[in-house]
Amino acid sequence: LAKTTQPISMDSYEGQEVNITCSHNNIATNDYITWYQQFPSQGPRFIIQGYKTKVTNEVASLFIPADRKSSTLSLPRVSLSDTAVYYCLVGGPNTGGFKTIFGAGTRLFVKA
Amino acid sequence: NAGVTQTPKFRVLKTGQSMTLLCAQDMNHEYMYWYRQDPGMGLRLIHYSVGEGTTAKGEVPDGYNVSRLKKQNFLLGLESAAPSQTSVYFCASSKLEEGWVRSSGANVLTFGAGSRLTVL
Repeated sequence: LAKTTQPISMDSYEGQEVNITCSHNNIATNDYITWYQQFPSQGPRFIIQGYKTKVTNEVASLFIPADRKSSTLSLPRVSLSDTAVYYCLVGGPNTGGFKTIFGAGTRLFVKA
Repeated sequence: NAGVTQTPKFRVLKTGQSMTLLCAQDMNHEYMYWYRQDPGMGLRLIHYSVGEGTTAKGEVPDGYNVSRLKKQNFLLGLESAAPSQTSVYFCASSKLEEGWVRSSGANVLTFGAGSRLTVL
């Protein structure tokens, strides 16, 4: 499984754009990049997933450079309710992807 | 459509007691997982299952057993609870994507609300 490295924590203010970068230097050819969000006392929930270039949905954007050794989750105009832990996962069927492993995540704290 | 349901939500045990956590999903998902999360930490995979009747070890399987007798249920058992097993337990499930079988695609998990277990 590709190991991922994320910042432990980040602070932001309401209305700002937040970018969280995840490093995954040994990502395999068939691996996808998936981000989850976890609020206190809740289970993680899926935010976004991508393979290359850029993916956007109603919640976030995911930027993946050509070498795919990193990815950046972008949250536009964050609010207090975006305070959560964000997990970056990398995996695919050829790299033990069924065995979905979470890292420590990035704790985002949004201030008023 | 309830998604992933965990029971019980809270439980207090004494050291040495046994108990079973039940996870039920109504999405017809093939894969199911049990994780534990300790305060301030990420999730650690205990056991997982890729189909009815099959289970496999995750990162921290010691002290736990699991069974997947029915596709929709995944049970996590503690035979002799220890204080180190005090944690929040999360169950998750995911479906077999066609792309996954063809060596592409990815695995998206749906989580339950968690079960908080305290072992005294």
